[in-house]
Amino acid sequence: GAGVSQSPSNKVTEKGKDVELRCDPISGHTALYWYRQSLGQGLEFLIYFQGNSAPDKSGLPSDRFSAERTGGSVSTLTIQRTQQEDSAVYLCASSQSQARNTEAFFGQGTRLTVV
Amino acid sequence: DQQVKQNSPSLSVQEGRISILNCDYTNSMFDYFLWYKKYPAEGPTFLISISSIKDKNEDGRFTVFLNKSAKHLSLHIVPSQPGDSAVYFCAASSGGYQKVTFGTGTKLQVIP
Repeated sequence: GAGVSQSPSNKVTEKGKDVELRCDPISGHTALYWYRQSLGQGLEFLIYFQGNSAPDKSGLPSDRFSAERTGGSVSTLTIQRTQQEDSAVYLCASSQSQARNTEAFFGQGTRLTVV
Repeated sequence: DQQVKQNSPSLSVQEGRISILNCDYTNSMFDYFLWYKKYPAEGPTFLISISSIKDKNEDGRFTVFLNKSAKHLSLHIVPSQPGDSAVYFCAASSGGYQKVTFGTGTKLQVIP
C-alpha cells in the first residue's frame, strides 16, 4: 500500500489477555516508531527500530510490552497480561531514514480497549 | 512531566481570519520542532518544522515562529479555511533521530 497500515483498527480485550498489534510501514522505510496516545495525553514514544534492531526501547512502560520487526518491514507490538491502563490509541510511524528532518508518516492507529 | 505543553485544548476561528496555535517547552536541549495535523480516525500528518537556528519558517498559509529565550513556538494559519479544522500537535526533538516529544494537541475549529 501507499501508506503506513496498522491492524486491527480497533481491539477490545479482557484484562489479563495478551494482544498483538501490527504495523506495515511504507516500503523502503528503514526507520519505524511506535507511539501511544492515552486519553487526554500527548503522543508517548514507545520504541524505535532501525532495520530490525531496536536501538531505543526506553519508552516501553513495562516488561509486559515488547516489539519486534522482521525483514526490515512488518513490526508487531505485543502487550502481555493487559491492564486497563493500557487502553490507548497505538500509533506506528515510518520514515526513510533516522535523520530527524526526514518526515515520518503515521498509520491510522489501533484503538485498544481493555475491559 | 510534560516537556511540551499546549495549554489551549481548543480554539475556534472564523474562516478567513488568522489562527494562532501556541506551544511551550521546558527542555532547553530541544533544537528541532515540528507541527503535525490530525483528522479524526487518521494518523497525524507532518505540517511544518523549524530548526533552532531559525526563528521563522513559512510554507504557504502556514508559518511557525520560534522564540528560544521564551521556549515558545507558535503556528500561524492565515487565512484559515474550514478544511484546517483538525487537532494540531506540537512536537520537539533533541536527538539525532526522529524521536520526538509531542504535546497534547489543540483542536482547531474553523467556522465557515
